[in-house]
Amino acid sequence: GAGVSQSPSNKVTEKGKDVELRCDPISGHTALYWYRQSLGQGLEFLIYFQGNSAPDKSGLPSDRFSAERTGGSVSTLTIQRTQQEDSAVYLCASSPGPPVDTGELFFGEGSRLTVL
Amino acid sequence: RKEVEQDPGPFNVPEGATVAFNCTYSNSASQSFFWYRQDCRKEPKLLMSVYSSGNEDGRFTAQLNRASQYISLLIRDSKLSDSATYLCVVNRAGNNRKLIWGLGTSLAVNP
Repeated sequence: GAGVSQSPSNKVTEKGKDVELRCDPISGHTALYWYRQSLGQGLEFLIYFQGNSAPDKSGLPSDRFSAERTGGSVSTLTIQRTQQEDSAVYLCASSPGPPVDTGELFFGEGSRLTVL
Repeated sequence: RKEVEQDPGPFNVPEGATVAFNCTYSNSASQSFFWYRQDCRKEPKLLMSVYSSGNEDGRFTAQLNRASQYISLLIRDSKLSDSATYLCVVNRAGNNRKLIWGLGTSLAVNP
């Protein structure tokens, strides 16, 4: 498809289990962000990939969270030993280049994670 | 103090009203500013960039006031379909350049 694709769209898991969320950015986009958004809250930055540069991981809330981007395209966000406070919508966004200048991020529809 | 602050609202206005939102930012070196729109349970989408001279797109006008460090969004002749949350986004200048998001202002346009 033409847009950013995320999967799964919904994930319900039990506390303590690991989850993997996938993001397929728009083809050719070098910048990729992961955010999360809790109900009624703003966007919380998690991690940023730009081309071949080292990712900016400063937003990851704990060492249970990790992300990788293979071949400069698909990215996976992994949450180990999930906790109830991890419940949120995880949004992926991509941009043709560093979005700090253009400001235009193209978001996927998000992965809604519920930890029971 | 948050780097980017917005009045959360909600703003409840009748159809046809004019409504304005402000967003303040703390980093005086910020250079790029944007407004995004997020519909309920949907992803954010870029509404418009904010240029130094101000810019207009149909019923929407964005302005920047560098001296007071705020940006504004004016919506004229509001429609029911304008109901959404409007997010202010500012770049963080310097070596750690990053987009900083406000928490959003909620708008409900009523018939």
